[in-house]
Parts: sequence; structure tokens; C-alpha cells
Amino acid sequence: EVQLVESGGGLTQFGGSLRLSCGVSGFIFTGYNMNWVRQAPGKGLEWVSNIRSDTGATGYADSVKGRFTVSRDDVKNSLYLQMNSLRAEDTAVYYCARDNHWSSDIWGQGTMVTVSS
Amino acid sequence: QSALTQPPSVSGSPGQSVTISCTGISSDGGGYYHVSWYQQPPGTAPKLIIYEVTNRPSGVPDRFSGSKSGTTASLTISGLQAEDEADYYCCSCTSSSSWVFGGGTKLTVL
Repeated sequence: EVQLVESGGGLTQFGGSLRLSCGVSGFIFTGYNMNWVRQAPGKGLEWVSNIRSDTGATGYADSVKGRFTVSRDDVKNSLYLQMNSLRAEDTAVYYCARDNHWSSDIWGQGTMVTVSS
Repeated sequence: QSALTQPPSVSGSPGQSVTISCTGISSDGGGYYHVSWYQQPPGTAPKLIIYEVTNRPSGVPDRFSGSKSGTTASLTISGLQAEDEADYYCCSCTSSSSWVFGGGTKLTVL
């Protein structure tokens, strides 16, 4: 079964850091680019970051550039998002998603990140 | 890329058709528009229902269809069913480092 499972969310203070993980199973991880997408409570979806499978090149939304770092471990079949200098507006459910045909075709269940002031 | 514009809400009765628009899409510079649509029932993760403007993933009913005219993409749901009630989001990808979602549209089945 194709599955993405996020972990690492939780409550942290303004200016703090968290590292999210996304474990992958059921498909060849090295064959796919991967995305992080977030959703603030009661709000819409916001693309956060992605990472290519071939070159490891990364992309970030302007709102997180310089604070968040995406990475992947192809041996552990895992995707990561290091989040530093967290702000209240980073409070959201964070989803990892597989990139296929310029779309996100498989999504995890999400992990909640809460930044308190 | 600027945010994409969707109507906040649409509604329809069972059996009817509804169309959700998504304005402000951009090409990737090579003339290709990478537009996708997602369905998100309350409390669940988004689900891909349309990719590359018009294509349906396996398992998505053919009641769901996508189209594009100029810089506006559209999602049409025909034969509306109660289970279609959800939030719907469009997404446009112009490069591997620039993805933008629309604000979302709440579909109510009357």
C-alpha cells in the first residue's frame, strides 16, 4: 500500500524550531519529487516546499524561504522539513505529498504544528 | 506567481452540475499549464481529482472534469451527489519551485 506518514509536529514557542519527518512506503521513493503543503486552521492550502529526486534541488514559498529547509534520505525513504525561527503564522497542519505529473497525487494524514507567542 | 482566485462557495442540488473557476493560472514558459484540482472533505487530507488540466487519476469518477480557457481553469462536477460536498482547491505549478494554490471553494449539495 502506498503510504506517507508525517511525524514531528507539536507545540513550540515563537522563534523555536521543529523538524518534521515523512516516512514513505509502497513506492520507489527515489523516483519522485516530494512536496510539503500546509493548511492553517480554517484556511486554505499553501505550498511550502519541494525537493527533486534527481538533483536534490529545492524550492520554497517566499513565506518560509530562509527559515525552512527541506531534505530527503533516499536510504531511509524519508522526507524532512527543518523549521527554524517559527512564527505564529506557521501554525498549521503540515502535509507531505508525492509529486507526480506536476501535481500531488499521494498525501499523508498531516501533522499539526502550533507556534505559541 | 500570484495567488489563484476561486469563488468562496458554490452550491447545487443532487443530479445537477456545478462549475468551479480558477483564475490567474500561468504557463511554465513553454506553453504548458500544469493545473491540478483537489477535493478535501472536512477533517481529511486533500485528494487529487484532476491533473494536467484535464486528466483524472485512476478511481476518480468521470463526473469530474477539468478544462481551461486562457488563464482560467475550471472544474465541472456533473450528476452532483451528496458525497461531493467538500472544499475544492486548484493548483498551478509553473516550475519545480513555484506552486500556487487557489483560495478554495466550498461546495454545498443542497
